[in-house]
Amino acid sequence: DIVMTQSPLSLPVSPGEPASISCRSSQSLLHSDGYNYLDWYLQKPGQSPQFLIYLASSRASGVPDRFSGSGSGTDFTLKISRVEAEDVGVYYCMQALQTPITFGQGTRLEIK
Amino acid sequence: EVQLVESGGGLVQPGGSLRLSCAASGFTFSSYWMHWVRHAPGKGLVWVSRINSDGSSTSYVDSVKGRFTISRDNAKNTLYLQMNSLRAEDTAVYYCARDLKGSGYIDVWGKGTTVTVSS
Repeated sequence: DIVMTQSPLSLPVSPGEPASISCRSSQSLLHSDGYNYLDWYLQKPGQSPQFLIYLASSRASGVPDRFSGSGSGTDFTLKISRVEAEDVGVYYCMQALQTPITFGQGTRLEIK
Repeated sequence: EVQLVESGGGLVQPGGSLRLSCAASGFTFSSYWMHWVRHAPGKGLVWVSRINSDGSSTSYVDSVKGRFTISRDNAKNTLYLQMNSLRAEDTAVYYCARDLKGSGYIDVWGKGTTVTVSS
């Protein structure tokens, strides 16, 4: 199974400041088609997960452009350029290259 | 409106069974792969199972293999998860979610249904 490791697990950020979350996979997520099968999701308190980023760097429809994803192979990053209060919650990376699909442990973002 | 609505959760004793349902509306259900993902209290998200668009291919996480069965009825726009031999560690909120190609891009999630396994 591909193990996904996120850091940090807790991320206190002041409004307007940037935030960055790292996600590492135990195997490369780069498919022969040239795409990295890595998604990012946010689970806000009391809500279902919501889709943020797919194929490592493409923003899902309706996602603000302050969110960006980058990386390839085994190292990936989610960045928020300016954190807003509505961004609180737990962020998960997820690999979909092979089954079982696996999630990272989650990173809890809180507002200072 | 695109919507997924789970049902069928509840309290069940260890060793018991439940069948979860997920009713889809607002999109062409038969064109999408579907997943079940669970979230146990205080833990992270765990992928449980996936089924392709016509129901001919399924996958499971090891911890539920042989106990859970995913299926779908495209005529009824409904996804199912038959859960047998339930254990305390299966206690979680279960979400159904859609995926265009089965390789991520899980863009719509239901609100979840709660399964509690306890005596």
